[in-house]
Amino acid sequence: DVKVTQSSRYLVKRTGEKVFLECVQDMDHENMFWYRQDPGLGLRLIYFSYDVKMKEKGDIPEGYSVSREKKERFSLILESASTNQTSMYLCASSQPGTTYEQYFGPGTRLTVT
Amino acid sequence: AQKITQTQPGMFVQEKEAVTLDCTYDTSDPSYGLFWYKQPSSGEMIFLIYQGSYDQQNATEGRYSLNFQKARKSANLVISASQLGDSAMYFCAQKTGANNLFFGTGTRLTVIP
Repeated sequence: DVKVTQSSRYLVKRTGEKVFLECVQDMDHENMFWYRQDPGLGLRLIYFSYDVKMKEKGDIPEGYSVSREKKERFSLILESASTNQTSMYLCASSQPGTTYEQYFGPGTRLTVT
Repeated sequence: AQKITQTQPGMFVQEKEAVTLDCTYDTSDPSYGLFWYKQPSSGEMIFLIYQGSYDQQNATEGRYSLNFQKARKSANLVISASQLGDSAMYFCAQKTGANNLFFGTGTRLTVIP
């Protein structure tokens, strides 16, 4: 089974802090994604990556950056956390193919105070 | 731009009954894919079913089937013989570009014993 893990289930940070959210997948997938999920808005794509050291902006990249130094690991960085970044963050991975279904991690619920 | 619409914020169904969750999409691309995901209260997104735009038959996976009406641009999820464990959020998503998914806002399904 594909396994996508995220470094924390719950995280509380202060405004202005630099925050790192880590995601690791064990199926050698080429594609990795970061989403945020907010009530009534569904999942919105922040950034994605097709390969090591490669990144593309999604729909809401402002205030975020990413890093992919190894194929299995995709990090989301909040350079200076703000209260409007309080949300559920979901990481996913997929392998190019017919269906491209994405496999998701358990999510990190981030609270910025 | 891609657009996925789920018009039912919440649905109730009696245990053992069937339920249909609505999803409409909008794309000018002739090649696309449609997905349904389930998100239980634990938070993890679980892939349920996939329909490709060129698939001749409606997709089925166990108790899940996708009622795909291409001309109406709808991809409704049908869950037969509902179980208490089906209570969850359900998201419709469309494959965009090479690998990305664009999600709807979700429908919360509650199964009543």
